Amino acid sequence: GAVVSQHPSRVICKSGTSVKIECRSLDFQATTMFWYRQFPKQSLMLMATSNEGSKATYEQGVEKDKFLINHASLTLSTLTVTSAHPEDSSFYICSARDPRGPGETQYFGPGTRLLVL
Amino acid sequence: SQKIEQNSEALNIQEGKTATLTCNYTNYSPAYLQWYRQDPGRGPVFLLLIRENEKEKRKERLKVTFDTTLKQSLFHITASQPADSATYLCALAVGSARQLTFGSGTQLTVLP
Repeated sequence: GAVVSQHPSRVICKSGTSVKIECRSLDFQATTMFWYRQFPKQSLMLMATSNEGSKATYEQGVEKDKFLINHASLTLSTLTVTSAHPEDSSFYICSARDPRGPGETQYFGPGTRLLVL
Repeated sequence: SQKIEQNSEALNIQEGKTATLTCNYTNYSPAYLQWYRQDPGRGPVFLLLIRENEKEKRKERLKVTFDTTLKQSLFHITASQPADSATYLCALAVGSARQLTFGSGTQLTVLP
């Protein structure tokens, strides 16, 4: 199947700093990528839909000024957590649609564990 | 309100038996439903997709059924193995962009 990578896999930062997470589709071009957040023992919650060359669409309750999304190319989307606070500590996962296959299938990255001290 | 419920948080079965996981939803009209496997600290891995006009899908030891009248999907793993132990998530595709809405997951443990 298609491969999606994320970098870094885990990051520890101080409160007030900004953290950038990269999501790459390695063997296909993804016009649409998605960003999710998952807290312990909970399911994935969609944060935003990232479309190449246009502004991201954020889900209700997700602050667009806090979670900056940039989908600058067909293989790369970035999520920047600005002025991170301990409550932002979570598991962040991206996914991408592979247009070569059934368009509905999303391939997920391995996730990024963020810990804000 | 809209809800997706998976039958139980945890399910333990004996190796070789069939595991059956349930996904029920209310106030959604999904175009299709997907099942994913997630291991601890990892992203979900796609398993199967079933559309609203399909009753059943199979892939090796996996079988999914979809009843849009009951608003329910059943996910079966036959001849289960300890390596099948993981959390299984159902997800509905909704909205014009077909965003995925996930259930809370069922943690399956297959005992040797």
